Amino acid sequence: NAGVMQNPRHLVRRRGQEARLRCSPMKGHSHVYWYRQLPEEGLKFMVYLQKENIIDESGMPKERFSAEFPKEGPSILRIQQVVRGDSAAYFCASSPPYAAGPQHFGDGTRLSIL
Amino acid sequence: AQTVTQSQPEMSVQEAETVTLSCTYDTSESDYYLFWYKQPPSRQMILVIRQEAYKQQNATENRFSVNFQKAAKSFSLKISDSQLGDAAMYFCAYRGKTSYDKVIFGPGTSLSVIP
Repeated sequence: NAGVMQNPRHLVRRRGQEARLRCSPMKGHSHVYWYRQLPEEGLKFMVYLQKENIIDESGMPKERFSAEFPKEGPSILRIQQVVRGDSAAYFCASSPPYAAGPQHFGDGTRLSIL
Repeated sequence: AQTVTQSQPEMSVQEAETVTLSCTYDTSESDYYLFWYKQPPSRQMILVIRQEAYKQQNATENRFSVNFQKAAKSFSLKISDSQLGDAAMYFCAYRGKTSYDKVIFGPGTSLSVIP
C-alpha cells in the first residue's frame, strides 16, 4: 500500500509567483489535512478537506491561500503571490472516513521563496 | 481549545541510557488520542506510539513507552537503551475522538544522543 504521496518534495518560487502543492491520500482515505511547519517550530493545522468539501479551514491565512480536494485527483494547496514568510515545510495527512486515531503523514513539501 | 505543551526544547542522552520527554496537554474532553511523533533530519513525520485516553494501561512499543497520567493531563515518553538513530525532534500530539478532529502538536523537543 502506497502511503500519503506529496509532490514536489522541494519547490522554489520567487516572490509574487504561485505555488501549488499536491497530496494524494492513502488508498481508501477520504479525509485530507494540511499542516505547515515553519523553521524551528511544530506543525500547525491549516485546513481539513473531504472530497469536494472544505470541512475546517480555521488555520488557513485569510488571503492568498486556498485548498481543494476534487472528486478525482489529488488535493491541492495553492499559495498565490508568495512572500518570504511562506517559506516552510507543508505536510499533508490523511485518515479513513470511519474512525479517528493517527493520521498518516506524507514526507512534506519544502517551499523556499527567493 | 485544546493545547499541547512540551517544556523541554532540548534534551540529550548517552547512548544506551534512558531518557524521558515531558508533555502536558489541556482538554475538556474525556476521550481522545495522544501520540508521539518523531521527526528526524529527513523531516518525515514518524508515528512512534499512540495512547487512547480511555485505556488505563500505558502503551509500549519496543524501547518506547509512555507514562499516561489522565488526571494530571500528562503524557511523557520514555526511550530505553537509546540509540544514535533516536536523535530527532519529538512532537507530542493530541487528537479528539471524532474523525473530523485535527491533530494538535506541541512545539517539540530536540533529542541528541551522545555516543
